[in-house]
Amino acid sequence: EIVLTQSPGTLSLSPGERATLSCRPSQSVSSSYLAWYQQKPGQAPRLLIHGASTRATGIPDRFSGSGYGTDFTLTISRLEPEDVGVYYCQQYGRSPWTFGQGTKVEIK
Amino acid sequence: QVQLVESGGGLVKPGGSLRLSCVGSGFSFNDYYMSWIRQAPGKGLEWLSYISSGSKITDYADSVKGRFSISRDNARNSLYLEMNSLRGDDTAIYYCATAKGIYGSGSYYLDYWGQGVLVTVSS
Repeated sequence: EIVLTQSPGTLSLSPGERATLSCRPSQSVSSSYLAWYQQKPGQAPRLLIHGASTRATGIPDRFSGSGYGTDFTLTISRLEPEDVGVYYCQQYGRSPWTFGQGTKVEIK
Repeated sequence: QVQLVESGGGLVKPGGSLRLSCVGSGFSFNDYYMSWIRQAPGKGLEWLSYISSGSKITDYADSVKGRFSISRDNARNSLYLEMNSLRGDDTAIYYCATAKGIYGSGSYYLDYWGQGVLVTVSS
């Protein structure tokens, strides 16, 4: 199965700063079948990005995704207090679909 | 708006069985592939299974293959997960989600999620 490694484990930034989250699959993810999810404390995950770079419905444009193959990035251009939570990447190009271990985003 | 509501969770003894349900509303349930995902306490997400809109195609993670069975009843807008031979490491919040993409490709992202239901396996 494809193992996804996310870094850093925790990101602590001030409001307005840029957050850069990394996701590195152990094998190339075909056709950019990579998604990002946000999970706020006590809530279900929410889809942010699919196809590596397509924002889901209703997602603010401060969230953007990029990358291909074995190197993907989620960028939050200007961090807001409500962006606190854990962010997961997921590959859905090959069964079993797998998730990264998550990056926790905190506000300083 | 899209709503998914899971039910059927609870406390079950090791070796026991449980059936989870997920009712969808606000969208054309019978047009969508559906999926189950779980999250152990304090841990990350684990995909378990998906089912096609007409129930002809299913897929499972190795961790649950042969023990769990996914099914659906489009007339009732309902998705199910039959769980047998439950173990302590099956303790988790179980989420249902809509699966979107090019149907038939085997590659779908998880669009909308329910709030989840807790399953605890303990003696």
